[in-house]
Amino acid sequence: DARVTQTPRHKVTEMGQEVTMRCQPILGHNTVFWYRQTMMQGLELLAYFRNRAPLDDSGMPKDRFSAEMPDATLATLKIQPSEPRDSAVYFCASAVDMSQETQYFGPGTRLLVL
Amino acid sequence: AQSVTQLDSQVPVFEEAPVELRCNYSSSVSVYLFWYVQYPNQGLQLLLKYLSGSTLVKGINGFEAEFNKSQTSFHLRKPSVHISDTAEYFCAVSVEGELTGGGNKLTFGTGTQLKVEL
Repeated sequence: DARVTQTPRHKVTEMGQEVTMRCQPILGHNTVFWYRQTMMQGLELLAYFRNRAPLDDSGMPKDRFSAEMPDATLATLKIQPSEPRDSAVYFCASAVDMSQETQYFGPGTRLLVL
Repeated sequence: AQSVTQLDSQVPVFEEAPVELRCNYSSSVSVYLFWYVQYPNQGLQLLLKYLSGSTLVKGINGFEAEFNKSQTSFHLRKPSVHISDTAEYFCAVSVEGELTGGGNKLTFGTGTQLKVEL
């Protein structure tokens, strides 16, 4: 049963610290999405990759957020420095390719910035 | 741009009763429609999707949804709910090629919390 995995599942950190979240997409999926879920804003698309290349990161605060795919099995989302308003659940999702409608979501990383 | 409205933020229902979760969307072009379920502390799981063809779509766990183009709706139904259906349900819409590079962007509603009671 292929699944998207994310680590860590929970992260508590202090304001100003660097946070790195990792995602392993389903093997063979070439499209990866990062979403953020908050009570106020709901689910927001932060960035997405195709074949490891970032295609759209317009939903991401550029000054402190960065997203990369070092290889086909790993996507990372980094926040530096973190702020309390970054507290949210961050989801990674993958799809077979860009034209495929179904996105498969990971379990999320629950981030709390104090 | 597309938008999705889920009219009910919470829906309480007794076990074995029928339920309908409402979803309306706005779009000027053809869309794909989805329902996802999120159990506590878990990611989103696809329940069902409408891409084309029959307007009545059947999904997992006994759920079904009907696409109504004239009403721009995609309501989710289940004839008899179980305690295990307690979760948050998200309606989503996507338009082919909306993202930079041609990808499909999912736009989510704000979610409906279904609470099934004994």
